[in-house]
Amino acid sequence: EPEVTQTPSHQVTQMGQEVILRCVPISNHLYFYWYRQILGQKVEFLVSFYNNEISEKSEIFDDQFSVERPDGSNFTLKIRSTKLEDSAMYFCASSHRVRYNEQFFGPGTRLTVL
Amino acid sequence: GQQLNQSPQSMFIQEGEDVSMNCTSSSIFNTWLWYKQDPGEGPVLLIALYKAGELTSNGRLTAQFGITRKDSFLNISASIPSDVGIYFCAGLYKGGSQGNLIFGKGTKLSVKP
Repeated sequence: EPEVTQTPSHQVTQMGQEVILRCVPISNHLYFYWYRQILGQKVEFLVSFYNNEISEKSEIFDDQFSVERPDGSNFTLKIRSTKLEDSAMYFCASSHRVRYNEQFFGPGTRLTVL
Repeated sequence: GQQLNQSPQSMFIQEGEDVSMNCTSSSIFNTWLWYKQDPGEGPVLLIALYKAGELTSNGRLTAQFGITRKDSFLNISASIPSDVGIYFCAGLYKGGSQGNLIFGKGTKLSVKP
């Protein structure tokens, strides 16, 4: 069964450094998302992406964040200058053109900012 | 912002028991989704609901979209040890943007000691 994959599984970085989190959505999906989950808390929406542009973004997704689909398979989240409070699990999700509300999540990248 | 109130926060199960959990909101939702998350993993989609009153099953799981469109519940019948995990409700509310899933805080299922 096709699934969303994410790399790396764990990323440790120093405060102020840039990080890029990578995702490969399910191949025939057209909608892509990033969410984050701070340890022990609920999952929070960051951004949705469709047709090579951002559809919607939350208040969390400030100027330090950006997303890109550099080729036909990858979807990336970049944090330009990480802060301690950026430490969280970051989940990529994708959904099909037809049942686009059914979002399928990847296994996540645990980001630790020191 | 929109909030989903999920309860109970946690519960203990004994193998064979039925389990119920629910999600409520003050806002009207167009879509309800139920996910399960195991430790260190991403949420796995269990059931999607699209219409008020809709009752949908997936094996031993049954979920319903409330008539008022402000709530949903999930039942697990005859629980087994692998049902342990955190269950999240998530929804798209009326007037919200496409794709912006609002998540509840989760119901943690643990095995009764």
